[in-house]
Amino acid sequence: GENVEQHPSTLSVQEGDSAVIKCTYSDSASNYFPWYKQELGKRPQLIIDIRSNVGEKKDQRIAVTLNKTAKHFSLHITETQPEDSAVYFCAARIYSGNTPLVFGKGTRLSVIA
Amino acid sequence: ETGVTQTPRHLVMGMTNKKSLKCEQHLGHNAMYWYKQSAKKPLELMFVYSLEERVENNSVPSRFSPECPNSSHLFLHLHTLQPEDSALYLCASSQGTGTVTGELFFGEGSRLTVL
Repeated sequence: GENVEQHPSTLSVQEGDSAVIKCTYSDSASNYFPWYKQELGKRPQLIIDIRSNVGEKKDQRIAVTLNKTAKHFSLHITETQPEDSAVYFCAARIYSGNTPLVFGKGTRLSVIA
Repeated sequence: ETGVTQTPRHLVMGMTNKKSLKCEQHLGHNAMYWYKQSAKKPLELMFVYSLEERVENNSVPSRFSPECPNSSHLFLHLHTLQPEDSALYLCASSQGTGTVTGELFFGEGSRLTVL
């Protein structure tokens, strides 16, 4: 089955700096890669996703890049703000009938004002 | 509100108790999930129901028993739990498990403590 590795487990950045979180996946059949954000005491929520037919997707200050050859994808947050502080989870999914998402272990991002 | 509500939000139980967690979704989705979230661990999928039929059971101990009476409600029945079962239990729903993009909408979670 699919296995998703996520690094780093914790990340601290100064407000205004960029943050990068990286994930690798094992199954080359995976073709959907979402990122979820979970603020302290809150539920995880989808913030951006990418499908394997594109290499990069942007939404304001966040972007995701995908390298299918190397089987890794990354989340980039620019001009970080204190409200970006949260745990971020990457996930991957194999394209088949009833295959749910497989999540990484999460990255706790702290943005220091 | 995301449309997925869980009750209770907090539960403390002894190892010999029997309790249930409840999840309700108002989004018209046809798939519902139970996830376990422990400290320093990824979101662990426990059960998936699609159109009220269980389609995934990730080797979860029998002391956890799911029930999905209809597409809007999902229960997790708990009995003779162990202290290591203490965790945040998250319910989620999505529109179909058979599509490539199936955004998960999570509830707030039920924080379970087993004494």
